[in-house]
Amino acid sequence: QKEVEQNSGPLSVPEGAIASLNCTYSDRGSQSFFWYRQYSGKSPELIMFIYSNGDKEDGRFTAQLNKASQYVSLLIRDSQPSDSATYLCAVLEYGNKLVFGAGTILRVKS
Amino acid sequence: EAQVTQNPRYLITVTGKKLTVTCSQNMNHEYMSWYRQDPGLGLRQIYYSMNVEVTDKGDVPEGYKVSRKEKRNFPLILESPSPNQTSLYFCASSRRLAGGYSTDTQYFGPGTRLTVL
Repeated sequence: QKEVEQNSGPLSVPEGAIASLNCTYSDRGSQSFFWYRQYSGKSPELIMFIYSNGDKEDGRFTAQLNKASQYVSLLIRDSQPSDSATYLCAVLEYGNKLVFGAGTILRVKS
Repeated sequence: EAQVTQNPRYLITVTGKKLTVTCSQNMNHEYMSWYRQDPGLGLRQIYYSMNVEVTDKGDVPEGYKVSRKEKRNFPLILESPSPNQTSLYFCASSRRLAGGYSTDTQYFGPGTRLTVL
């Protein structure tokens, strides 16, 4: 069973700080990695996709991928209370199976 | 409006009574998938479909069936529901999941909360 692991949290950060969310995966053959945000009672929504080693930035979000160490992270700069949500890491395995982590709860305190 | 619809949104049923949860998308997407979400376990993929008449098992397919006779519809069938299938179910679709350096957004439906007594 391939696994994707995340710290369940909650991760609490003050407004304006950088929130750092981490994810490790077990399948070395994985090529594509996703971060989804899920507000309480809502559906997940895709916020970042990363394929290559290194950093990918989109507004206040930066995804970081290190395939050698098998981890992917999400940084949220200038965190806002509206960023409070559960963040799901997902890994695309061979055969187009998408495996999700259990999610990290982020709380941004104003 | 681009959307994925699921019906019903809420369902309470009894053990063994066959049920179908419908999923429909209006974006002409090829890829569709069903997930269940349970506390502490995150989203787990049940089945997915790359195109019409092409389906494959995800991580937790036992007790479920799917079909993809039309591109827009991807129903989830529970032939004999059991209490351990009580969960929140999401259907999702995308034009494709990921290819090389790009991907398409996967749109999720609003969810179906199923309780099996």
